[in-house]
Amino acid sequence: GAVVSQHPSRVICKSGTSVKIECRSLDFQATTMFWYRQFPKQSLMLMATSNEGSKATYEQGVEKDKFLINHASLTLSTLTVTSAHPEDSSFYICSASRGTGGGYEQFFGPGTRLTVL
Amino acid sequence: AQSVTQLDSQVPVFEEAPVELRCNYSSSVSVYLFWYVQYPNQGLQLLLKYLSGSTLVESINGFEAEFNKSQTSFHLRKPSVHISDTAEYFCAVRQAGTALIFGKGTTLSVSS
Repeated sequence: GAVVSQHPSRVICKSGTSVKIECRSLDFQATTMFWYRQFPKQSLMLMATSNEGSKATYEQGVEKDKFLINHASLTLSTLTVTSAHPEDSSFYICSASRGTGGGYEQFFGPGTRLTVL
Repeated sequence: AQSVTQLDSQVPVFEEAPVELRCNYSSSVSVYLFWYVQYPNQGLQLLLKYLSGSTLVESINGFEAEFNKSQTSFHLRKPSVHISDTAEYFCAVRQAGTALIFGKGTTLSVSS
């Protein structure tokens, strides 16, 4: 199967700092990349969808100025949490898709645990 | 808008017992349905999916799910579970051209 990596796997930062999380599709070119957020014992909530070279589309309620997404290539997307606060502490998961129609698949990274002190 | 409801947040079972994890969805259009599994400290893995055709789909490790359009359900079943099946299971739905939308997950705990 296709592999999606995330870096870092875990990050602790001080309130007010910015944190960048990288998501890479290692062995395929991703049509689209997605960023999800997962709170403890809760579901994955879609934050945004991005296509290479285009601006990300954010879900309702997600602050685009706080969660900056850059999709520089077909294999790399980054999520920057700007001026992080404790309430931003969460598990962030990226996903990369390939194919269309019946051949469409989404592959998930292992996630990044962000803790803001 | 689509939504997914997983009716059980936790399902404890003994090894070799059968299990059913329930999933209902709502959507005004045709959807694709998925079950993902998340083992401790690992990423999500696709377990099985329904796109079209036969309403009964199976995974390589003995799980199966049946798409029931009239009941808008996609319940996951396994006739005999193993300790290694202990994990978080997520039901998900998507329409063509959109991202996956997930349910809240069901924790399956298998004990001996």
